[in-house]
Amino acid sequence: EVQLVESGGGLVQPGGSLRLSCAASGFTLSPYWMNWVRQAPGQGLEWVAGVKKDGSDKYYVDSVKGRFTISRDNAKNSLYLQMNSLRAEDTAVYYCARGNAFEYWGPGTLVTV
Amino acid sequence: DIQMTQSPSSLSASVGDRVTITCRASQGISNYLAWFQQKPGKAPKSLIYGASSLQSGVPSKFSGSGSGTDFTLTISSLQPEDFATYYCQQYNSFPLTFGGGTKVEMK
Repeated sequence: EVQLVESGGGLVQPGGSLRLSCAASGFTLSPYWMNWVRQAPGQGLEWVAGVKKDGSDKYYVDSVKGRFTISRDNAKNSLYLQMNSLRAEDTAVYYCARGNAFEYWGPGTLVTV
Repeated sequence: DIQMTQSPSSLSASVGDRVTITCRASQGISNYLAWFQQKPGKAPKSLIYGASSLQSGVPSKFSGSGSGTDFTLTISSLQPEDFATYYCQQYNSFPLTFGGGTKVEMK
């Protein structure tokens, strides 16, 4: 069974940092584009970042460029999001999602700034 | 950035109704369009990719159509488990963008 499980969320002060992890199981991460998506309380979905299967190309929404870094470790079947200089507007549930068309999602982890 | 506009933002419907949700892209995205269903407190679930291809395990009452800038999601016969919020999303170009969502409520 394909599973994605996020971890690392929590309460952080403005200007602080957090590192989110997404552990994949039931499949091998390496062939897939991977994404982070967030959802602020009561709001819609916002794509945050994506990374190519080998980690060579990374893309970000403008609001997080220079502050967030997406990375992956295919050997550990894991995806990461390093979040620095956090702001109140970064408060959201953060999801990892597999593939160009987001076919599988994790349950999410809450980040409160 | 490509803007995705969904309409309506909410609708009220009854069990058995046929429901159609529209998504318009601010520029052409070919068929790089996905639809998701989200229930309160849960992660989104993929329904359709490539504008009209059903994800594995998704019932055939869901269908998608369109290409270019105009797309629709149709639920042929609404069931109690279908009351949820639906989102479209383009994956033609970065930044990837979602529509604002359509909340389907019980009449």
